[in-house]
Amino acid sequence: EIVLTQSPATLSLSPGERATLSCRASQSVSSYLAWYQQKPGQAPRLLIYDASNRATGIPARFSGSGSGTDFTLTISSLEPEDFAVYYCQQRSNWPLMYTFGQGTKLEIK
Amino acid sequence: EVQLVQSGAEVKKPGESLKISCKGSGYSFTSYWIGWVRQMPGKGLEWMGIIYPGDSDTRYSPSFQGQVTISADKSISTAYLQWSSLKASDTAMYYCARRGVGDYWFDPWGQGTLVTVSS
Repeated sequence: EIVLTQSPATLSLSPGERATLSCRASQSVSSYLAWYQQKPGQAPRLLIYDASNRATGIPARFSGSGSGTDFTLTISSLEPEDFAVYYCQQRSNWPLMYTFGQGTKLEIK
Repeated sequence: EVQLVQSGAEVKKPGESLKISCKGSGYSFTSYWIGWVRQMPGKGLEWMGIIYPGDSDTRYSPSFQGQVTISADKSISTAYLQWSSLKASDTAMYYCARRGVGDYWFDPWGQGTLVTVSS
């Protein structure tokens, strides 16, 4: 089973700053990694798939990078609405599992 | 617009049964997988299982195998998650989400169904 480890657990930044969130897989997942945003009281929303492709309607300030075991979600200039929890996710085929990281909480400093 | 609309919040007692629903619209319901994800209070996301409504092919996370049943009625574009005997530890928000054939990500998600189990 592939384990996803996100860091840091909490990131405190101010609007306008750059945010860098990390997701590390316990073994290679190639580029099969997705990122989600979850705001309080809301369902998760897909941001990025295949490590670097923005989902429909996602602003260009969100970008993803990485392959293999190390991935990064970058928010170039934080807007007030970006403060939320972010999860990475991948799928393994044997056994079939969809695994989420434990999340990074991005909070206002 | 592609949408998944889930049934409303439930309050149940331990030992009771429950079936919650997730209705898809705006797309071909039988051509996409529907997954279920649990989020316990203040915690992260856990994948429970997934169903392909086209042929009812269903897979479960080992953590949830035998604990819940996932089903679908393609005639009304609805997927279900059910428990035969609830426990207090089943208290959580439950989300359904669509997964594309050949994909691995989930998009969109339903609004969630809060299940509270308390005596």
